[in-house]
Amino acid sequence: GAVVSQHPSRVICKSGTSVKIECRSLDFQATTMFWYRQFPKQSLMLMATSNEGSKATYEQGVEKDKFLINHASLTLSTLTVTSAHPEDSSFYICSARDRGGPPLNIQYFGAGTRLSVL
Amino acid sequence: GQSLEQPSEVTAVEGAIVQINCTYQTSGFYGLSWYQQHDGGAPTFLSYNGLDGLEETGRFSSFLSRSDSYGYLLLQELQMKDSASYFCAVRDKGDSNYQLIWGAGTKLIIKP
Repeated sequence: GAVVSQHPSRVICKSGTSVKIECRSLDFQATTMFWYRQFPKQSLMLMATSNEGSKATYEQGVEKDKFLINHASLTLSTLTVTSAHPEDSSFYICSARDRGGPPLNIQYFGAGTRLSVL
Repeated sequence: GQSLEQPSEVTAVEGAIVQINCTYQTSGFYGLSWYQQHDGGAPTFLSYNGLDGLEETGRFSSFLSRSDSYGYLLLQELQMKDSASYFCAVRDKGDSNYQLIWGAGTKLIIKP
């Protein structure tokens, strides 16, 4: 099955630093990747949709300059949380659609990154 | 606005059958999906309904009625490992992004 690798799985950083999270599709080409944020016991909140080679589309209320997304290739997207603050602490999950897969609305998810900002 | 409603928590006994309902209000509809998420883990795809009716995949089945804006996930022969959160998700746009709108999730608690 399709595998999405997300790194790091956990990161603890000081307030004001930037953190980069990588999301890779290992055995398929991902036309579209999604970045979500999930609070404890809550649903997935879509932050942005990124298509290879173009600018990401951010959801309302998500700061583009704070959450920088780069989707440079069909297998890699990165999310950089710039100048992180304690309120940015959360579980961030990426997902990807298989370019060659059936249109069954399937998203393949990475294992998530738990960010803790001190 | 767009919304998906599902129960926050359901409790069932090992070996039993449980149904998790999902009703949706979206501007468009291009399919209903179900995902499973264990605590601390990533969501994994379970089932998809694009047309009305029942889809069966092993112990799991999913049903859709577009006229009622309603679907459900049916889990049979429950096992302890089925304890997880279950999310319904709707694709509301027909563009090539296949973006999904997510329900709040149903926590399934299974008792021995």
